[in-house]
Amino acid sequence: GAGVSQSPSNKVTEKGKDVELRCDPISGHTALYWYRQSLGQGLEFLIYFQGNSAPDKSGLPSDRFSAERTGGSVSTLTIQRTQQEDSAVYLCASSLDQSGGRAYEQYFGPGTRLTVT
Amino acid sequence: AQSVAQPEDQVNVAEGNPLTVKCTYSVSGNPYLFWYVQYPNRGLQFLLKYITGDNLVKGSYGFEAEFNKSQTSFHLKKPSALVSDSALYFCAVRDGLRTGFQKLVFGTGTRLLVSP
Repeated sequence: GAGVSQSPSNKVTEKGKDVELRCDPISGHTALYWYRQSLGQGLEFLIYFQGNSAPDKSGLPSDRFSAERTGGSVSTLTIQRTQQEDSAVYLCASSLDQSGGRAYEQYFGPGTRLTVT
Repeated sequence: AQSVAQPEDQVNVAEGNPLTVKCTYSVSGNPYLFWYVQYPNRGLQFLLKYITGDNLVKGSYGFEAEFNKSQTSFHLKKPSALVSDSALYFCAVRDGLRTGFQKLVFGTGTRLLVSP
């Protein structure tokens, strides 16, 4: 079946502009995650959605970053007033319900490479 | 705080030889441990996980990992390396006791290079 998809695959933007990154999770997966992968920083957790629960935003690096998930499916990560340090690959992942102590593996999309000039 | 450490930035091995990619963990409760692989310009792919039970976990592509509680390690192994195994490998941990703690914490990654 279809995996996690992300769009765009590449995005080049000027410093100060806003960007939106999209993630389509695997159908039936109620958990959705955003991570950021950058040189020197490894993989950083950004935000986690589980069903209709309030998202875990503990990894968002600043208030310029926000994310929403509409209808329990598609998610959009928005970065306002982009800075050069925001340049990275943004990865989305989805999984089955992680609540209740379960630990299902996460399935990752191919990522969006963001370059801020 | 939950963390994993991958002490080697790169591991070099000849094709056909056994390989080991090291990972140690630090968690406050019982760990849920994962290995992922990343090929160039691709997202991460799940290899295997340890939740409970047998300390030797078998996963995709002939990989296995051994959970060692006394050494707090979860090393990835393969008996015979292939050139196509060359990739970036990430160890990750999730705290199993705190059910509200859902994110994975990743290591810094180890680049595996298998030479022909």
